[in-house]
Amino acid sequence: KQEVTQIPAALSVPEGENLVLNCSFTDSAIYNLQWFRQDPGKGLTSLLLIQSSQREQTSGRLNASLDKSSGRSTLYIAASQPGDSATYLCAVLEYGNKLVFGAGTILRVKS
Amino acid sequence: EAQVTQNPRYLITVTGKKLTVTCSQNMNHEYMSWYRQDPGLGLRQIYYSMNVEVTDKGDVPEGYKVSRKEKRNFPLILESPSPNQTSLYFCASRSFSYEQYFGPGTRLTVT
Repeated sequence: KQEVTQIPAALSVPEGENLVLNCSFTDSAIYNLQWFRQDPGKGLTSLLLIQSSQREQTSGRLNASLDKSSGRSTLYIAASQPGDSATYLCAVLEYGNKLVFGAGTILRVKS
Repeated sequence: EAQVTQNPRYLITVTGKKLTVTCSQNMNHEYMSWYRQDPGLGLRQIYYSMNVEVTDKGDVPEGYKVSRKEKRNFPLILESPSPNQTSLYFCASRSFSYEQYFGPGTRLTVT
């Protein structure tokens, strides 16, 4: 059974710091890995999608990498801002078409 | 604008009173699904649909029904809601490149 783990569970950093969020998964038979952002009580906003054949994707200050063989992904946020405060979720899409989520990392960026 | 919409966004109801949460997408996606999100349990899939008239159970289907008569719509039906169905519900659709798009969420309270 696929398990997705996100570390750390919570993170508090001062504004301007570069930070890394980690996601690991147990079964490498995946189509892709997707990072989402969720504000409290709100919907999920897709940040980056990495197909299984890709190594990384970039969007603005965000960079996500994928090492399928080792079952790991990282989300790098450069020059963090208070507006980046949210919960970050990673999810893998298995070959059986099931989307499995991690529990999330709660990020707080202090001004 | 490409989007997934849900209605209502907030709903308070009483035990046993049938309700329907609508979901619609304008991206011509074949795959749609419903999730519920609960504190400490994360996001769990309720039902999914591979295409019109093709639906199947996810991880937590008990107490829910779905239908897919048109490609764009995928309503979630609670025929006899109970307090344990109080949750935040998300509808999602999936593109042909396997990227997930989520609706804004429906917060349901059953008293």
